[in-house]
Amino acid sequence: GQQLNQSPQSMFIQEGEDVSMNCTSSSIFNTWLWYKQDPGEGPVLLIALYKAGELTSNGRLTAQFGITRKDSFLNISASIPSDVGIYFCAGHGGTSYGKLTFGQGTILTVHP
Amino acid sequence: IAGITQAPTSQILAAGRRMTLRCTQDMRHNAMYWYRQDLGLGLRLIHYSNTAGTTGKGEVPDGYSVSRANTDDFPLTLASAVPSQTSVYFCASLPGTGLRQPQHFGDGTRLSIL
Repeated sequence: GQQLNQSPQSMFIQEGEDVSMNCTSSSIFNTWLWYKQDPGEGPVLLIALYKAGELTSNGRLTAQFGITRKDSFLNISASIPSDVGIYFCAGHGGTSYGKLTFGQGTILTVHP
Repeated sequence: IAGITQAPTSQILAAGRRMTLRCTQDMRHNAMYWYRQDLGLGLRLIHYSNTAGTTGKGEVPDGYSVSRANTDDFPLTLASAVPSQTSVYFCASLPGTGLRQPQHFGDGTRLSIL
């Protein structure tokens, strides 16, 4: 089946620093999604990407859909303590937008 | 507030027992999904339902069953729980499978099998 490799597994940064994480796939995806999960809660969608090469921003977050359709990255600029959480990439290769394949997650810790 | 409700929030269960995790949504979404989340593995799809009356297998369906008798409810059953089913379980929904809509996730059920 499809697999996603997400890196890094964890990051420890100082408040104000920029953050970058990425996902690569063994096969082509038609959609890439980035989620954030806070402790004790379900994942919440941050950014959705639907076209190869697409670059989308949501406040301090920017994500890109790789032109090969096998990778995506998420950048967070000027990190703040509330950015702490687990970030997941997810994608799917078909037209059914619900059957997602998730990356392993990146645990982000921000030191004030 | 509209959304997805999962119950129980957490449960400790003896191996071999039967357990049903409940998921209810009030958004009249057609598609619903069950994922399990394990450290280092992300979320993996267990079962899904594109519409009431239909279900399908995801990536890790063994040991689990689902039913979709109506639009709102999508229970997940462990017929005979085993320790490897210790995990956090998330239910999610979408308005429809062909729409560019974000999935809505519940807050999860933390299940421990002893």
